[in-house]
Amino acid sequence: AQTVTQSQPEMSVQEAETVTLSCTYDTSESDYYLFWYKQPPSRQMILVIRQEAYKQQNATENRFSVNFQKAAKSFSLKISDSQLGDAAMYFCAYRNGFGLDSSYKLIFGSGTRLLVRP
Amino acid sequence: NAGVTQTPKFQVLKTGQSMTLQCAQDMNHNSMYWYRQDPGMGLRLIYYSASEGTTDKGEVPNGYNVSRLNKREFSLRLESAAPSQTSVYFCASILDRVSEQYFGPGTRLTVT
Repeated sequence: AQTVTQSQPEMSVQEAETVTLSCTYDTSESDYYLFWYKQPPSRQMILVIRQEAYKQQNATENRFSVNFQKAAKSFSLKISDSQLGDAAMYFCAYRNGFGLDSSYKLIFGSGTRLLVRP
Repeated sequence: NAGVTQTPKFQVLKTGQSMTLQCAQDMNHNSMYWYRQDPGMGLRLIYYSASEGTTDKGEVPNGYNVSRLNKREFSLRLESAAPSQTSVYFCASILDRVSEQYFGPGTRLTVT
């Protein structure tokens, strides 16, 4: 079974600086997707960025980028120029791609709370 | 488009009471999901429906039942609520393999 591990329960960053959130996962599949979701105090789950395992290039979305290390099964999120609005819980998630599992279900890590200091 | 909607937003139940959480999506998505979120544990899958007319158990199905009423609606029922079911419940939906899951706003359920 696939698992997702986030080893940092809480991180803190100064406004305008850069922070990296860690995520590792375990799978025997070769085709899969990885995601970072943001959950602000409103509780809404917001997709921040996604990475397809078959793509070697790391995904970027404005100030958010990932460092995808497939062999190491690592998927970290870098937030540049941190803003007060980035303060939230961040969840790493995994989903199988092709194959026998057609459920498209997400497997989540336990989350990292990001605090942004003004 | 309203996206994924959930009712109610908040609910307090007494142990042994029953209730149904409603979820609807207007994006013509094929698959729908129910997750629960507990402190320090991320979201865990309760049940899912890969397509209209099918439902399957997820990681934590005990104490729950689901109904995929039609393509739009997917309900979660607690027949006899227990304090261990105190949680935040999220409904989600997805169109196909290459798209993303869209989440509803969540329901905070407290069982006393």
